[in-house]
Amino acid sequence: SAVISQKPSRDICQRGTSLTIQCQVDSQVTMMFWYRQQPGQSLTLIATANQGSEATYESGFVIDKFPISRPNLTFSTLTVSNLSPEDSSIYLCSVEVQTDTQYFGPGTRLTVL
Amino acid sequence: SQQGEEDPQALSIQEGENATMNCSYKTSINNLQWYRQNSGRGLVHLILIRSNEREKHSGRLRVTLDTSKKSSSLLITASRAADTASYFCATDARTGSQGNLIFGKGTKLSVKP
Repeated sequence: SAVISQKPSRDICQRGTSLTIQCQVDSQVTMMFWYRQQPGQSLTLIATANQGSEATYESGFVIDKFPISRPNLTFSTLTVSNLSPEDSSIYLCSVEVQTDTQYFGPGTRLTVL
Repeated sequence: SQQGEEDPQALSIQEGENATMNCSYKTSINNLQWYRQNSGRGLVHLILIRSNEREKHSGRLRVTLDTSKKSSSLLITASRAADTASYFCATDARTGSQGNLIFGKGTKLSVKP
């Protein structure tokens, strides 16, 4: 398994601003993922972040809105830009440690006013 | 679109009873995983079952997989109040060298003491 931390755990932001979420893993991992969980909903993959290359975004998610950095094998950031109330969600990062198994961070709860 | 669909959406039982949750999916898979989420927090990986396996046990958890019916079930025996959580199934959706999970909508389990 892996120990994954996220910062911040929660935040309240104003419309039009941005929030950057950090994800730290206690071991080097190749694949990191960012998910969004809207209120009362399941998880939806935003993008896959691999070190040394640009993130790969899923349909409906674009880099301008969700820029991602992956400077090394233990760290990644997700920025949610130009916030609107519709962006209020829990954002979770995950890592694939063993083949096919993903472990999740505790999530960042974002509320946009 | 969602790959996994859990039912029931919500389940309320008494402590000591067994809880059964079902998951159906649409396309071929390599594996299926079950996760637990406590009250909007991070996901905890429970168990992974591969497409060539039919049943797997882990403590009080029993997972079955029927690839002919594209369905899986999660059984929690002798439930406890601490089992109260949302349970999600997730299937892999490998594209090229990347892997990501497609989550179902989840079953909200409430175990009353």
